Amino acid sequence: DIQMTQSPSSLYASIGDRVTITCRASQSISTYLNWYQQKPGKAPQLLIHAAYTLESGVPSRFSGSGSGADFTLTISSLQPEDFATYYCQQSYTFGGGTKVEIK
Amino acid sequence: EVQVVESGGGLVQPGGSLRLSCAASGFTFSTYAMSWVRQAPGKGLEWVSVISGSGDGTYYTDSVKGRFTISRDNSKNTLYLQMNSLRVEDTAVYYCAVDGGCSTTTCYSTRATYWGQGTLVTVSS
Repeated sequence: DIQMTQSPSSLYASIGDRVTITCRASQSISTYLNWYQQKPGKAPQLLIHAAYTLESGVPSRFSGSGSGADFTLTISSLQPEDFATYYCQQSYTFGGGTKVEIK
Repeated sequence: EVQVVESGGGLVQPGGSLRLSCAASGFTFSTYAMSWVRQAPGKGLEWVSVISGSGDGTYYTDSVKGRFTISRDNSKNTLYLQMNSLRVEDTAVYYCAVDGGCSTTTCYSTRATYWGQGTLVTVSS
């Protein structure tokens, strides 16, 4: 099975900061990589599919990049509503998650 | 509007059984694979099981094989998860999810596009 490794597991950031989260697959997965956001007590929300395709309604400050085994989720200017946990996913495997907290 | 609503969670003793249901609306149910994803308290997401749109293909994570059974009734737009021989480590919020990328279980572009609110399963004596 392919393993998905996210880093960092948590980070502290301020409003307006540029935030980058990485996800590494244990083997090449082309661009079959999705990103989710989860807020406390809520179901996850799909943000990006196929590495860089933004879901409808997701703000343009979110972007995804990468192919092969290395991927990145970037938030260009962190907003108060972006403090959450982010997960990458490939096939039926999720990464361990990255919690974005207020500095 | 796509909606999926889970039900059937609750408290059960170790070794017991529980059946979760997920009622779907707002889309052509039979054309999408459907999944159960769980989240133990304070932990990350785990993909538990998937069923193809037609119901003829399934996937289970290793820890539930032989204990859980996923099924669907396309005439009722409903997804099920029969959970037997429950263990303490099965305690989690169970989410129903629509796979917006696939109708089968052998598809590279699988993704959980729509999620329910979740139902809590607690296995404890």
